[in-house]
Amino acid sequence: EIVLTQSPGTLSLSPGERATLSCRASQSVSSSYLGWYQQKPGQAPRLLFYGASSRATGIPDRFSGSGSGTDFTLTISRLEPEDFAVYYCQHYGNSLFTFGPGTKVDIK
Amino acid sequence: QVTLRESGPALVKPTQTLTLTCTFSGFSLSTSGMCVSWIRQPPGKALEWLARIDWDDAKYYSTSLKTRLAISRDTSKNQVVLTMTNMDPVDTATYYCARLRRGAGGSYYYFDWWGQGTLVTVSS
Repeated sequence: EIVLTQSPGTLSLSPGERATLSCRASQSVSSSYLGWYQQKPGQAPRLLFYGASSRATGIPDRFSGSGSGTDFTLTISRLEPEDFAVYYCQHYGNSLFTFGPGTKVDIK
Repeated sequence: QVTLRESGPALVKPTQTLTLTCTFSGFSLSTSGMCVSWIRQPPGKALEWLARIDWDDAKYYSTSLKTRLAISRDTSKNQVVLTMTNMDPVDTATYYCARLRRGAGGSYYYFDWWGQGTLVTVSS
């Protein structure tokens, strides 16, 4: 079973700064099955990307997803106040879904 | 507009069976490529996928929990039901149902719509 590791655990940044979040898989995975979700306190997760880099409907273009093999990245080019949240990567394989432990982006 | 709503008991006792219902609208679980999953999140912790049911009634379960889980659907009522047996305090979590989109031939999978979640506490 694939294990996803996210780093850093917490990222403290100021509005306007660039955020780079990492998701690493325990073995090579298909980028088709890698997704990213944003979760704010008290809310359900929201889909950001599927297929590693395909932006979901309504997601601003300051968000970008990239990567392949074992290393995937979510980048927020300029943080807006509403972007401070927890971000999860997720993988599908062998009929199973796994989520990473999450990266919290908080205000510095 | 797609909506999903979870319902069920807020409190269950250890060893009891939990039954949760996901009532959805805006799509049909009979349509090819449509699936519904259950995902849970203990307080302050990460998401954990539990189960999935597909448009063709195929069912899939978390490896670690499959002996305790059962998922079913009622397409006439637009509902998906999850049962989890032998509940334990470690099962305390917010339980979400989510629509899972499957691409043609399984080319992609993603959870595009989520319910608000329901908090289930396991305590005597």
